Amino acid sequence: AQSVSQHNHHVILSEAASLELGCNYSYGGTVNLFWYVQYPGQHLQLLLKYFSGDPLVKGIKGFEAEFIKSKFSFNLRKPSVQWSDTAEYFCAVNAKGNNRLAFGKGNQVVVIP
Amino acid sequence: GAGVSQTPSNKVTEKGKYVELRCDPISGHTALYWYRQSLGQGPEFLIYFQGTGAADDSGLPNDRFFAVRPEGSVSTLKIQRTERGDSAVYLCASSLGQNNNEQFFGPGTRLTVL
Repeated sequence: AQSVSQHNHHVILSEAASLELGCNYSYGGTVNLFWYVQYPGQHLQLLLKYFSGDPLVKGIKGFEAEFIKSKFSFNLRKPSVQWSDTAEYFCAVNAKGNNRLAFGKGNQVVVIP
Repeated sequence: GAGVSQTPSNKVTEKGKYVELRCDPISGHTALYWYRQSLGQGPEFLIYFQGTGAADDSGLPNDRFFAVRPEGSVSTLKIQRTERGDSAVYLCASSLGQNNNEQFFGPGTRLTVL
């Protein structure tokens, strides 16, 4: 079964700072990779996804993630955060052909104005 | 268009009682998923339906948990003899079909077992 690791569960940073959230997964086969975001009081929303092709994926709101197969990683980045990026971020993975998503524990990100 | 809806949004029950949680997926989505999210954790997979049938129920923690989707649309998650450890947010998601499809999540039902 797949498992997902996210480190630095709580992240606090100032507006305009750069953000990078790490995500590592354990699974030897081909995977689909996702980052979901949960804004305060809202439900989980897809931020970006990787199925195949260019390993650098661009998502909504200026986020991007890079799939590095050799490192089993799919780190999320944003060059300059805004207060509205305060949210919880979850990395998720599923094996190709298997629909169950395995999620990491999440990163609680607080952006201070 | 309407997203995934779940009812009730909150449910408080006593230990030992039976509860039903409902999920209404996005119209036209054939795949439906249930996840459970405990405090401080990411969502954990419970069960996946493709149409009316449970294609993968390997995430259900024990036989107190059961889910149905009789007409291939609305699904009900049923928990018998609830325990305090069942307290969590129960999330439902739907997708267009199998494989490589984005899962759209509902707002969840927060279950509290006293």
